[in-house]
Amino acid sequence: QKEVEQDPGPLSVPEGAIVSLNCTYSNSAFQYFMWYRQYSRKGPELLMYTYSSGNKEDGRFTAQVDKSSKYISLFIRDSQPSDSATYLCAMSELYNQGGKLIFGQGTELSVKP
Amino acid sequence: EAQVTQNPRYLITVTGKKLTVTCSQNMNHEYMSWYRQDPGLGLRQIYYSMNVEVTDKGDVPEGYKVSRKEKRNFPLILESPSPNQTSLYFCASRIQGAGDTQYFGPGTRLTVL
Repeated sequence: QKEVEQDPGPLSVPEGAIVSLNCTYSNSAFQYFMWYRQYSRKGPELLMYTYSSGNKEDGRFTAQVDKSSKYISLFIRDSQPSDSATYLCAMSELYNQGGKLIFGQGTELSVKP
Repeated sequence: EAQVTQNPRYLITVTGKKLTVTCSQNMNHEYMSWYRQDPGLGLRQIYYSMNVEVTDKGDVPEGYKVSRKEKRNFPLILESPSPNQTSLYFCASRIQGAGDTQYFGPGTRLTVL
């Protein structure tokens, strides 16, 4: 079993839709939770960052962490064609000497005009 | 502009021919890391460096070497490349202690024939 599971999609939605992206994990030591966005032929760029449980909002993006269920989500409101990309969840432990991020496989999102 | 740069961006080589992929960051970050990205496997850490002359193995270090002689540079060396090292490689950096918000380079697509 992988430490982090993410539905690879692809996911196709119409412009303006609310998008829900999810990851589950098995390691209860994970404390840092991140969402990265990766456009085609580009490196991942940090989108949202959350420490421990709770919600965080940034514009049209909301990240949720439920540590009791080992489940994290990213919601995109009023989705735009420019949101079309692969979304990667990533996690790490609190005392992470090696700085290692554990990534999900990534979900490919396409927002149609 | 704050950035992580990698060279070359694309490389096709043959089995056994030594190669180096360079990585440089201009943010004065202590921590740097190399990942490879493969379909269905996501991003996996190869090596990381906490600071100059301090390096350590990640999850998939076999067949790779690194060095950290200067803070800004962290080259990835393949002494004898094999076809199973065909992959997309990313360099990343961050400030020590800044959670795990890593900044990624644009990627190097390597094909080993």
